[in-house]
This record gives sequence, structure tokens and C-alpha cells, in this order.
Amino acid sequence: GAGVSQSPRYKVAKRGQDVALRCDPISGHVSLFWYQQALGQGPEFLTYFQNEAQLDKSGLPSDRFFAERPEGSVSTLKIQRTQQEDSAVYLCASRKYGGFQETQYFGPGTRLLVL
Amino acid sequence: EDKVVQSPLSLVVHEGDTVTLNCSYEVTNFRSLLWYKQEKKAPTFLFMLTSSGIEKKSGRLSSILDKKELFSILNITATQTGDSAVYLCAVERGTSGSRLTFGEGTQLTVNP
Repeated sequence: GAGVSQSPRYKVAKRGQDVALRCDPISGHVSLFWYQQALGQGPEFLTYFQNEAQLDKSGLPSDRFFAERPEGSVSTLKIQRTQQEDSAVYLCASRKYGGFQETQYFGPGTRLLVL
Repeated sequence: EDKVVQSPLSLVVHEGDTVTLNCSYEVTNFRSLLWYKQEKKAPTFLFMLTSSGIEKKSGRLSSILDKKELFSILNITATQTGDSAVYLCAVERGTSGSRLTFGEGTQLTVNP
């Protein structure tokens, strides 16, 4: 079956522009996560959804970052007034439920470059 | 705050060598430790280690978890150039829908 997909794969934005990054999780997966991966670093947690409910957004670095999952499937991460420090790969992951011994499956990421 | 430290940060070996990658962690209410392989794309899942499964093996790759000393190792035997990648270690708390906390990763380069 299809894995996690993300679009666009690459995005170049001018500083101050708004961007929207899309994640299509594995069909039927209840849990969805967003991570930010800076160059040479491990992924860092941004936010978590269970169905359409955003249960944890403690990793969002500022109020310029906003995520939604209105129908409990596709999710969008929006970054307003982008800054150069927002340049990173944004990874989405999904998991079937959240139970013991379930793994998170990652998408290919969106590489964002802010000029 | 949860913390994961991986070592070495980079490693260069020749094909056929055996490598050991290290991961130490501090986490509140530990649930699991995971290893991922990341080439220039999505991290792909390798192993999950929990209290009920502290040793895993798949082909040339194996991993153990020491819950007392709070570390894990990933072993790769008879390395191949296709093993070149960043290997990420992550820990998960035992709370519902919990996030993963990752280490910086180990960049492994296998030369022919």
C-alpha cells in the first residue's frame, strides 16, 4: 500500500512569504506527527494529531507555525512570514493508533529554503 | 527534558568491516527505543526495542537495549556500500500518542 506522501518536495520562499506544506498519511492511520529537521541534526517534534484533534503542539517554535487536520486525514503545516531560520526539512509521520509497539512511518519530507 | 546522544557522529569504514553505533538516552517513563536509517529521503524503520524485546536481529543488522545503563547499540556486520546513510536513534515515552525524541544521528560511510 501507499506510504506517507508529502508535497511539495521542495519549496523556495522569499523571507516574509507564507508557505503551506501538505501531508497525506497512510490510509486509516489515526496518529499524525510533524517534525522539523535542520541540516545535520535529528528530527525535532513540532506537533501531534489524533484524528482531527491536535493533542500536542508544544514543539511549534513560534506563533507563525500553524497545523491543521480538519477531517482527520490530510494535514497541512502552515508557516507565516517565513524567516531564514525556518529553512529545514519538514517531515510528516503517521501511526495506526498509538498503542504499544506501533511504529511511526515517515514521509519523504518537504525541503524548505527561505532566502 | 528527554535526551538522546549518539556516537560517533560520523564513521568511515571499508566494505566488509563491522560497525557499532551507540545511543544513550534519558527519558521520563520510557516506552521504547527505535532505530531508523535515513538516506536522502524518509527515515526508514529498522528496529523497535522495548522492555519485552531488548534484542533484535535482521540479516546483518542487530540491536540490543540495556535498560539499566540506558543505552542501545546497533551493529552492522559485513558492511556494504548500500549501508551508507545516517542512522537515527529515537526514544518514546509511555504516554498516549507520544512524540519521538531523536539523537543527532551517526553518518556512516562505507567505501568500496
